[in-house]
Amino acid sequence: ETGVTQSPTHLIKTRGQQVTLRCSSQSGHNTVSWYQQALGQGPQFIFQYYREEENGRGNFPPRFSGLQFPNYSSELNVNALELDDSALYLCASSLGGGPTDTQYFGPGTRLTVL
Amino acid sequence: QKEVEQDPGPLSVPEGAIVSLNCTYSNSAFQYFMWYRQYSRKGPELLMYTYSSGNKEDGRFTAQVDKSSKYISLFIRDSQPSDSATYLCAMSGGSSARQLTFGSGTQLTVLP
Repeated sequence: ETGVTQSPTHLIKTRGQQVTLRCSSQSGHNTVSWYQQALGQGPQFIFQYYREEENGRGNFPPRFSGLQFPNYSSELNVNALELDDSALYLCASSLGGGPTDTQYFGPGTRLTVL
Repeated sequence: QKEVEQDPGPLSVPEGAIVSLNCTYSNSAFQYFMWYRQYSRKGPELLMYTYSSGNKEDGRFTAQVDKSSKYISLFIRDSQPSDSATYLCAMSGGSSARQLTFGSGTQLTVLP
């Protein structure tokens, strides 16, 4: 069974640029959630996708957007990067979008905005 | 005020000690409680999942939930150097059923 994978591992961007992060779900999982983890903090929920539809969103501005593909892989796009966007971005996949569906996390993409 | 409060530590204990990690929360709608372990440069890994008040044991780990006090704990018995990591509490429920709300994490070091 393949776990959750994310790419790239690290990324450096400058303020104002746009970035796309990618996530491959664990086999059989149809739900992907994205989280932002600032240094020394716990992960914060960005949004969730269930069967290619957004299924919940946290307190993040519209410049954070996402996609889920028919194979249930996912992308997180961030436009007009700000210095505060520097963080570890985690995706988590689960069998469903409900509260009893365990979320399995990938290793994350570390984004640095200069 | 954050919905979930967790003492960030750092916490340093000798090998074999009993470790107690705690979180408090303010949202009474939370019904599902989890503990994740995160090693440096890795994603969080689920350790324990509980639904109701009371205790749940899994090997050296015991999770405790007191909904009346809005307080959850994780106990680690016979701690090992390999337990050195950041421990994150997480919870969900009510209007936040689909998302996990995390504490800020407690950094634990178990000294050999």
